[in-house]
Amino acid sequence: DGGITQSPKYLFRKEGQNVTLSCEQNLNHDAMYWYRQDPGQGLRLIYYSQIVNDFQKGDIAEGYSVSREKKESFPLTVTSAQKNPTAFYLCASQRRRGADNEQFFGPGTRLTVL
Amino acid sequence: GESVGLHLPTLSVQEGDNSIINCAYSNSASDYFIWYKQESGKGPQFIIDIRSNMDKRQGQRVTVLLNKTVKHLSLQIAATQPGDSAVYFCAENMRYNTDKLIFGTGTRLQVFP
Repeated sequence: DGGITQSPKYLFRKEGQNVTLSCEQNLNHDAMYWYRQDPGQGLRLIYYSQIVNDFQKGDIAEGYSVSREKKESFPLTVTSAQKNPTAFYLCASQRRRGADNEQFFGPGTRLTVL
Repeated sequence: GESVGLHLPTLSVQEGDNSIINCAYSNSASDYFIWYKQESGKGPQFIIDIRSNMDKRQGQRVTVLLNKTVKHLSLQIAATQPGDSAVYFCAENMRYNTDKLIFGTGTRLQVFP
């Protein structure tokens, strides 16, 4: 089955620790995205990547970092600089830049800072 | 059920009734629109999309209407079922001009038996 996987589903972190969220897709999509979702709110874009080895900041990139070494993978690191990291994190992919096609979403990772 | 910012509006309907979920989009240059459904604790799922050269598109039990004059998008769900209970988001995009979808804050649909 083609799709997007995110792991882990639930993640707990102590304050001051960096954590990395995994996102993998086997859809052969060029573009990948990371969003943050807080309770009762919409999706806010953290980072996105249109091609391998290139990525762009979204609207709330501070305290986060990403890499895109492979087309299939777009991991997100939540650093200790992110002051309020507890949230639901969603990864998405899209076939190609500028195309009128939808973004496909993974199942999400719920991060809780203890 | 129109999006009103930070507070998530809720639409409550009885099973079997039709539902209409509204969305006011922000950019008059947007030319592609998507509706997503998000169940609790899961990622959003694509429902239906529409391009700006259309004003109506129908899917299975769902219809999307686009009014570019007032920048308004609606999702109609026929014969609403308990499995339709979820949060519904609209998203807009300017093809060939930006790389990003812009999401609305969502509307929660609750279906009662």
